[in-house]
Amino acid sequence: NAGVTQTPKFQVLKTGQSMTLQCAQDMNHEYMSWYRQDPGMGLRLIHYSVGAGITDQGEVPNGYNVSRSTTEDFPLRLLSAAPSQTSVYFCASSRDRVNYGYTFGSGTRLTVV
Amino acid sequence: GENVEQHPSTLSVQEGDSAVIKCTYSDSASNYFPWYKQELGKGPQLIIDIRSNVGEKKDQRIAVTLNKTAKHFSLHITETQPEDSAVYFCAASRGFGNEKLTFGTGTRLTIIP
Repeated sequence: NAGVTQTPKFQVLKTGQSMTLQCAQDMNHEYMSWYRQDPGMGLRLIHYSVGAGITDQGEVPNGYNVSRSTTEDFPLRLLSAAPSQTSVYFCASSRDRVNYGYTFGSGTRLTVV
Repeated sequence: GENVEQHPSTLSVQEGDSAVIKCTYSDSASNYFPWYKQELGKGPQLIIDIRSNVGEKKDQRIAVTLNKTAKHFSLHITETQPEDSAVYFCAASRGFGNEKLTFGTGTRLTIIP
């Protein structure tokens, strides 16, 4: 199993550009989430999904969209990048939301200039 | 919403000594308290978790204690080794699992050989 795969690992965007951060897992996990990690602020939940076709907002959803058309994939879209979205983004999955901990990807470091 | 405070932000201990990291949470309805370890350049990894119906849980050199009355929980690492050097995050959620986990701001633990 590859686990949770995030692409790209690094990205530089100009303000106003849009892009999609990819996340794929091959463990047949139902529950997937996106977090952003900023210095001194820990990890903050952006969006999450309890299964294909179902998504919901987390703590900091503004400026981001998600969709979950398959169990495996959970892409995060930045609609119009802003410098405040400079961060490290982590995708995580778990077999369900109650009985199992998260498996995290290795992250995408995004810089918006 | 939930607020999780974590202390200290940095901690240095001699190899072989014990390390303790403490977290407090604000939402008395929180029931699930995991701890994650993040090594440089990697995503966080679950190392231990505890649910509100348990006061203490141990796994080899790692233990977590929970005081629901005082709304705080702690991570204890005994006989520390160089590979324990990492950033540790505590987290809390209202459900009994990963749904809408709120993370602390992290503790950078350095083991001095």
